[in-house]
Amino acid sequence: GQQLNQSPQSMFIQEGEDVSMNCTSSSIFNTWLWYKQDPGEGPVLLIALYKAGELTSNGRLTAQFGITRKDSFLNISASIPSDVGIYFCAGQSLGAGGTSYGKLTFGQGTILTVHP
Amino acid sequence: DAGITQSPRHKVTETGTPVTLRCHQTENHRYMYWYRQDPGHGLRLIHYSYGVKDTDKGEVSDGYSVSRSKTEDFLLTLESATSSQTSVYFCAIRGSSGGVSTDTQYFGPGTRLTVL
Repeated sequence: GQQLNQSPQSMFIQEGEDVSMNCTSSSIFNTWLWYKQDPGEGPVLLIALYKAGELTSNGRLTAQFGITRKDSFLNISASIPSDVGIYFCAGQSLGAGGTSYGKLTFGQGTILTVHP
Repeated sequence: DAGITQSPRHKVTETGTPVTLRCHQTENHRYMYWYRQDPGHGLRLIHYSYGVKDTDKGEVSDGYSVSRSKTEDFLLTLESATSSQTSVYFCAIRGSSGGVSTDTQYFGPGTRLTVL
């Protein structure tokens, strides 16, 4: 099946630093999503990307849909302690006949630790 | 808040026993999904539903069955639980805007299942 490679697996940064993480795939996706998960909770949607080359921001978060449609990037600027958590990328591709039923493929996650 | 609840939130059971997890949504969404989350694997799709009585297998469906007899409830059953099914299980619904399904998914709070 499809696989998403997310990197880095973990990051330890100081408060105020910028963060970058990315996902790559061997196959094309038509939608990229970025989620954050806090301990003991379900993933929460941060940003959705629908078009190759699209750059979208949500506060201090910026994500890009790669031009090849095989990758996506998430940047967090000026990190704060509440940014701690696990960040997941997820991609959706169209199946046979142009329908996917909304099925997502997830990356393995990036564990972010922010030191005050 | 996507109006998704999962029950139970925690369960400990023994190998060989049947287990049913429930996902309940209040917003009449057509598409519902069950994922499992394990360290190093991100979230992996078990089964999904695209309508009442319409379900299909995901990436890791072996040992699991599902049922959807009404729009608001999606049940995941482990017929005979095994230790390899110890995991955190998340239900998700496919988002919508203006009555049209979008490619985003929103997750419930999760069920932590331990099989001894």
